[in-house]
Amino acid sequence: DADVTQTPRNRITKTGKRIMLECSQTKGHDRMYWYRQDPGLGLRLIYYSFDVKDINKGEISDGYSVSRQAQAKFSLSLESAIPNQTALYFCATSDSWGRQETQYFGPGTRLLVL
Amino acid sequence: AQSVTQPDIHITVSEGASLELRCNYSYGATPYLFWYVQSPGQGLQLLLKYFSGDTLVQGIKGFEAEFKRSQSSFNLRKPSVHWSDAAEYFCAVGGNEKLTFGTGTRLTIIP
Repeated sequence: DADVTQTPRNRITKTGKRIMLECSQTKGHDRMYWYRQDPGLGLRLIYYSFDVKDINKGEISDGYSVSRQAQAKFSLSLESAIPNQTALYFCATSDSWGRQETQYFGPGTRLLVL
Repeated sequence: AQSVTQPDIHITVSEGASLELRCNYSYGATPYLFWYVQSPGQGLQLLLKYFSGDTLVQGIKGFEAEFKRSQSSFNLRKPSVHWSDAAEYFCAVGGNEKLTFGTGTRLTIIP
């Protein structure tokens, strides 16, 4: 089984709809991250969480919210989806041991907003 | 602020030829540096990382990278590419709890 899973893998939604992307991990890591990937822009950080009670905004958090339901689960919500949120979304995890920030990525969720 | 520049958007090499992908970073202290690979339709896989010590690091799939502090670079190399190396490659810098990624280099392999 994969260490970092994302559901759904693909999603089509309409403008104005609220949707949730989910991420689960079995690596036992305390840190979790949400990124979006757009062609030519690389990966940009949306939100990150260093433990269940710690949530931080990344560089492009507007229009998104997150929930850290448990150490192993980190959800990303689009409150009112818009077409420019069409992208590939990745969840990642890392271990806070030392300061060695090796991040492990899920397979991604491809989102299309019509 | 930390940043990463990958100056080559797209590189094409012949199978069996050598490869070098460029990465330049900006970071205020000793950086942690990473190379990830993304195959079509897949997530990101860690190829190698540099934290400290030997500036030449070995990774998976026959890749290596060299940290050059004087040039703020962390270029990825492979002596002989295989068709399966066709993918997108991302360099990343971290150290203050977050990673900053470059915009990626797409590698195409021709027979």
